[in-house]
Amino acid sequence: EVQLVESGGGLVQPGGSVRLSCAASGFTFSSHSMNWVRQAPGKGLEWISYIMSSSSTIYYADSVKGRFTISRDNAENSLYLQMNSLRAEDTAVYYCARWGSGGRAFDIWGQGTMVTVSS
Amino acid sequence: QSALIQPASVSGSPGQSITISCTGTSSDVGTYNFVSWYQQHPGRAPKLIICDVSERPSGDSYRFSGSKSGNTAYLTISGLQAEDEADYYCSSYTSGPTFVVFGGGTKLTVL
Repeated sequence: EVQLVESGGGLVQPGGSVRLSCAASGFTFSSHSMNWVRQAPGKGLEWISYIMSSSSTIYYADSVKGRFTISRDNAENSLYLQMNSLRAEDTAVYYCARWGSGGRAFDIWGQGTMVTVSS
Repeated sequence: QSALIQPASVSGSPGQSITISCTGTSSDVGTYNFVSWYQQHPGRAPKLIICDVSERPSGDSYRFSGSKSGNTAYLTISGLQAEDEADYYCSSYTSGPTFVVFGGGTKLTVL
């Protein structure tokens, strides 16, 4: 079964840091570009970061640029998001999502992990 | 404000058809055929239902169809069923400063 499982969310203080992980299974992880997408409570989806299969190309949304770092370990079938200098507005469910190799879309999503930034 | 503009809500009765619009610009929807649509039920992760403007992922419902005209993409759901009640999001590849942009989402109510 093709699956993405996020972990690492929780309560963090403003200005703090947290590292999210996404474990992939059921497909050749090293062949796919990956993304992080977030959703604030009661709000819509916001794409925040993309990493190519080889890590050679990385993009960030302006809202997280300079604070968040995406990375991956193809040997471990894992995707990561290092989140620093966290703000209240970063409170959201964070999803990892696979970029399809056929159709250009987010074709597989994890169940999400909640990050709450609050004192 | 979201980069792609969707109506906040639409509604329809069982068996009817509804269409949701998604308006972008020449930097995204108008230039690229990389428009996708996602269905999200409350408390669940989004699910891809249309990619590349009008392609259905294999095995998915034929009741969902996509199209595009100029800077606006459309999702049509035919033969509405109670289970279609959900939030729907469009997305497009963009040549702008970001990689992908989403619409603000449309809440579909099945009356």
